[in-house]
Amino acid sequence: DTGVSQDPRHKITKRGQNVTFRCDPISEHNRLYWYRQTLGQGPEFLTYFQNEAQLEKSRLLSDRFSAERPKGSFSTLEIQRTEQGDSAMYLCASSQGEGHWNEKLFFGSGTQLSVL
Amino acid sequence: AQSVAQPEDQVKVAEGNPLTVKCTYSVSGNPYLFWYVQYPNRGLQFLLKYITGDNLVKGSYGFEAEFNKSQTSFHLKKPSALVSDSALYFCAVRVPYGGSQGNLIFGKGTKLSVKP
Repeated sequence: DTGVSQDPRHKITKRGQNVTFRCDPISEHNRLYWYRQTLGQGPEFLTYFQNEAQLEKSRLLSDRFSAERPKGSFSTLEIQRTEQGDSAMYLCASSQGEGHWNEKLFFGSGTQLSVL
Repeated sequence: AQSVAQPEDQVKVAEGNPLTVKCTYSVSGNPYLFWYVQYPNRGLQFLLKYITGDNLVKGSYGFEAEFNKSQTSFHLKKPSALVSDSALYFCAVRVPYGGSQGNLIFGKGTKLSVKP
């Protein structure tokens, strides 16, 4: 168990640029989640994959955001035309779940995005 | 709207004293309840969960939580606090039906400070 890894740890970009983050889940986990966390707040759900299928998307996930999980392994989260309000910590989590929803999630350390 | 409330931004206790971190929730039906802890520069870690059954659940590092359905609360407790327990604690709830099962809803967090 090597844990959930996220890359990069930090990303500084200028407003209007596109950014892409990567998440490598624990290898046997079939579920993968993206969350966003701002200072003083709890993580907010963005989207969730079961294997390669994206099954839920939050209303927070505007059309500038897109996530993929090709082949049900790693996942990428892309933000197009970044805005200053996108500045946050982006968290990835994975879990092994089959037909129930009480499993624990394993979180990565996150990618801190700063939009200037 | 479904939500989780952690009424205290910060809890301060002396080492060796009991601690309580409060959590209440507002969701329909019978949700699953969780506590996660976040240490500085580290990802969120699972502490414990309530699914069904005994209202007192035990978790990692000597923590336990008490589920109270009538008060819709799930307070985190520990009989004797350690300085190393100082961290950010998040209560979370998951509704296992209704189309948004992927969404683990977090409270905004409570900073626990344990003084020697």
